[in-house]
Amino acid sequence: QKEVEQNSGPLSVPEGAIASLNCTYSDRVSQSFFWYRQYSGKSPELIMSIYSNGDKEDGRFTAQLNKASQYVSLLIRDSQPSDSATYLCAVRGRDDKIIFGKGTRLHILP
Amino acid sequence: DAGITQSPRHKVTETGTPVTLRCHQTENHRYMYWYRQDPGHGLRLIHYSYGVKDTDKGEVSDGYSVSRSKTEDFLLTLESATSSQTSVYFCATRGDRDVHEKLFFGSGTQLSVL
Repeated sequence: QKEVEQNSGPLSVPEGAIASLNCTYSDRVSQSFFWYRQYSGKSPELIMSIYSNGDKEDGRFTAQLNKASQYVSLLIRDSQPSDSATYLCAVRGRDDKIIFGKGTRLHILP
Repeated sequence: DAGITQSPRHKVTETGTPVTLRCHQTENHRYMYWYRQDPGHGLRLIHYSYGVKDTDKGEVSDGYSVSRSKTEDFLLTLESATSSQTSVYFCATRGDRDVHEKLFFGSGTQLSVL
């Protein structure tokens, strides 16, 4: 079982709606949690990092962390066609390894 | 953009030959990572480095070795390439003073093993 699990999708969301992406991780001592976005044929780019329980907001993006449930999520409000991409959840453990999930493909429907 | 350069960008090789991919950074970042990306698997960690001459294995290290003799360069070697190692390889770096712990990625190397 992979250490970081994501639903591969595709997840289809109408333009203007909220997209909700989910991720679970297995290592209870994980320190840091990240969401990366990757467009087809491009390198991943960081959207959000989160370290403590609760919500963290940055513009249209909100990351949510629940360490007790070992669960991380990303909400994208007012979804735009340019949000169509693969979203990768990543986790850093105490040993500085950064492990990625398989990614969720998001398709915003115009 | 961070100065992360991967070379070569594309390579075609034959089964059984050794292959070395290079990652060069100009950011003086402490941490460097090699990932491979295959359809349906996301990014999988091969090896990483936490300093000069300090490396450790990742999720899929079999058949790969790495070396880091100076801060700027992190080399990934496929000792005897196999068709299962056909993939896109990404190098990434991370500074140890970035509060966001952001990974900076290179543009990737497309490797085909025939």
